[in-house]
Amino acid sequence: AQTVTQSQPEMSVQEAETVTLSCTYDTSESDYYLFWYKQPPSRQMILVIRQEAYKQQNATENRFSVNFQKAAKSFSLKISDSQLGDAAMYFCAYRRAGNNRKLIWGLGTSLAVNP
Amino acid sequence: DAGVTQSPTHLIKTRGQQVTLRCSPISGHKSVSWYQQVLGQGPQFIFQYYEKEERGRGNFPDRFSARQFPNYSSELNVNALLLGDSALYLCASTLGGSSYNEQFFGPGTRLTVL
Repeated sequence: AQTVTQSQPEMSVQEAETVTLSCTYDTSESDYYLFWYKQPPSRQMILVIRQEAYKQQNATENRFSVNFQKAAKSFSLKISDSQLGDAAMYFCAYRRAGNNRKLIWGLGTSLAVNP
Repeated sequence: DAGVTQSPTHLIKTRGQQVTLRCSPISGHKSVSWYQQVLGQGPQFIFQYYEKEERGRGNFPDRFSARQFPNYSSELNVNALLLGDSALYLCASTLGGSSYNEQFFGPGTRLTVL
C-alpha cells in the first residue's frame, strides 16, 4: 500500500526567508503524481504545485519549488521569500497514475511565518 | 466561475442520527470525490464518482454512502452517527477521471457529533 510521510508537524520561518518542508512516500508504482496542497485557516484546500514522476525536472511555481528524488522517494517543498500569507497547513499527497485514483495524504506540516 | 460549493457549512448532530452533505462541482467537471479530515490529520478518501458511477471507495463502513446526480452534484450520507464521525468533510471535483487532472476542493462541511 502506498503511504505518505511528513515528519515535521510544525515549522516556522521568518518573513522573506526560505523554508523547506519534507515529504517521503512509499510505492511500488513507477508512474504517479505528487502534490503539495495548502490549507489556510479558512479551510479551503488549494493546490500549490504538482510533479509528474516521469519528469526528471523539478516543478516550479513562482516562489514554490520542489526537490523530487525518485530513487529516494523524497518530495520536498521549498518556499522562497516567505510571506505572511504562506502561513497554513501544507499537505503532501500521492496519486497513482491512471483513471479514478484516490489521493493519499500525509499528516501535514503547520507552517508559521514570523514577521 | 463558481468554485466547488458545499452545504451546509456547519452541522451539529447527535449519536445515532443520520446526515446528508451536499456538493456542487465546478461547471463542466464530471468527477466528484469525498474526503474525511479529522482534526489534526490529513484527509482520508471516502468515495469517488465519475459520470454518476462509483469508481472508488475508501476504507469506511457501510454507514457511509454517496451518489452523484445527472447534473454531477453529489450527496454523502452517513447513518447511525458515531462520535468519531466528527470531522471536516471535503468534496473535490475534477474535470475527468485522469490522475493528472487537478482536484479542486470545496470549503468543506464541519460535522460535529455530540
